[in-house]
Amino acid sequence: DVKVTQSSRYLVKRTGEKVFLECVQDMDHENMFWYRQDPGLGLRLIYFSYDVKMKEKGDIPEGYSVSREKKERFSLILESASTNQTSMYLCASSPSPVQETQYFGPGTRLLVL
Amino acid sequence: QQPVQSPQAVILREGEDAVINCSSSKALYSVHWYRQKHGEAPVFLMILLKGGEQKGHEKISASFNEKKQQSSLYLTASQLSYSGTYFCGTDSGGYQKVTFGTGTKLQVIP
Repeated sequence: DVKVTQSSRYLVKRTGEKVFLECVQDMDHENMFWYRQDPGLGLRLIYFSYDVKMKEKGDIPEGYSVSREKKERFSLILESASTNQTSMYLCASSPSPVQETQYFGPGTRLLVL
Repeated sequence: QQPVQSPQAVILREGEDAVINCSSSKALYSVHWYRQKHGEAPVFLMILLKGGEQKGHEKISASFNEKKQQSSLYLTASQLSYSGTYFCGTDSGGYQKVTFGTGTKLQVIP
């Protein structure tokens, strides 16, 4: 079974802190994604990566950056957390070719105070 | 731009049928359907590629009308386990950059 794990299920941070969300997948997938999920807004893509050290902006990249130094790990970074970044963050991975299912992690619920 | 899903919410009795629609303003390469149960991660249902195909998965099937840039998810003889939020995702570039809709919350009651 494909497994996508995220470093924390719940996280509480203060405004201005630097926040790291980690995602690890164990299936040697090329593609990895970060989404945020908010009530009424569905899943919105923040960044994705189709290879090590490669990244592409999604639909809402502002205020976020990412890092992919190893194939299995994709990190989301909030350089200076703000209250409007309080959300559920979901990581996903998928193999190539492109038309494959995405496997989601359990999510990290982040509260920024 | 996010695809538009309708309805936003629906309540069904066990055994009833439902249709969830997904509409995009862009030409589509594929449509993806996922279901998310409360407190859990989204789980893949099916992918439809351009070509107007229809796919089935147990009592859940879907169609994709490439010309109209629309997809519909059909749930027949609904079961309690079908409850959850259904998301469609659209891919316009064949890139795996999937843009998800806002979801349709489906509740099946006894």
